[in-house]
Amino acid sequence: GAGVSQTPSNKVTEKGKYVELRCDPISGHTALYWYRQSLGQGPEFLIYFQGTGAADDSGLPNDRFFAVRPEGSVSTLKIQRTERGDSAVYLCASSSSGYGYTFGSGTRLTVV
Amino acid sequence: AQSVAQPEDQVNVAEGNPLTVKCTYSVSGNPYLFWYVQYPNRGLQFLLKYITGDNLVKGSYGFEAEFNKSQTSFHLKKPSALVSDSALYFCAVSPTGMNTGFQKLVFGTGTRLLVSP
Repeated sequence: GAGVSQTPSNKVTEKGKYVELRCDPISGHTALYWYRQSLGQGPEFLIYFQGTGAADDSGLPNDRFFAVRPEGSVSTLKIQRTERGDSAVYLCASSSSGYGYTFGSGTRLTVV
Repeated sequence: AQSVAQPEDQVNVAEGNPLTVKCTYSVSGNPYLFWYVQYPNRGLQFLLKYITGDNLVKGSYGFEAEFNKSQTSFHLKKPSALVSDSALYFCAVSPTGMNTGFQKLVFGTGTRLLVSP
């Protein structure tokens, strides 16, 4: 596609529920990143995929967070047993050159 | 550990005046530096980057930034501000020592630029 697409744009869920956030990168971009942006903060790195494999998942806060990219294109960020502290905007970005990303518009997750 | 500091939460400037948004960084080795802009309810948009070479980098929408190694700064500048430049600006640094070319970014907390008519 022309840009990075993230769905849904907004997600409200109850504490303890499971959620999936989807990212559709720019076609042909081999690198895909997930970031989390809390209110009043800059984005924080979560995980980076090179192709199908997670090359760096050092930013995932705990084992409730997991991400996959089974075919090297679309990625899904999965959050189990959501907590109110998980509320944030989750940003996805993709890159081909490695020195500049294209970000999606993000998914605003609200845990109530 | 790598870090980025944006010391100003907000910068106010009148339209037509020059603007500066400050950024300092801490990173081992040679840094890769970036500026992004964020408009309300939209994703981050790339403005410019410094990888190597000329210390003055020119980017989108008339913005430029100057890499100053001795002061570990990468301030964003524009000679004449527009009301439409009002947005949230993020400075970011890439950790060095990674040889893949694909860099995760460490972002500052952002500076809100408000340009008044």
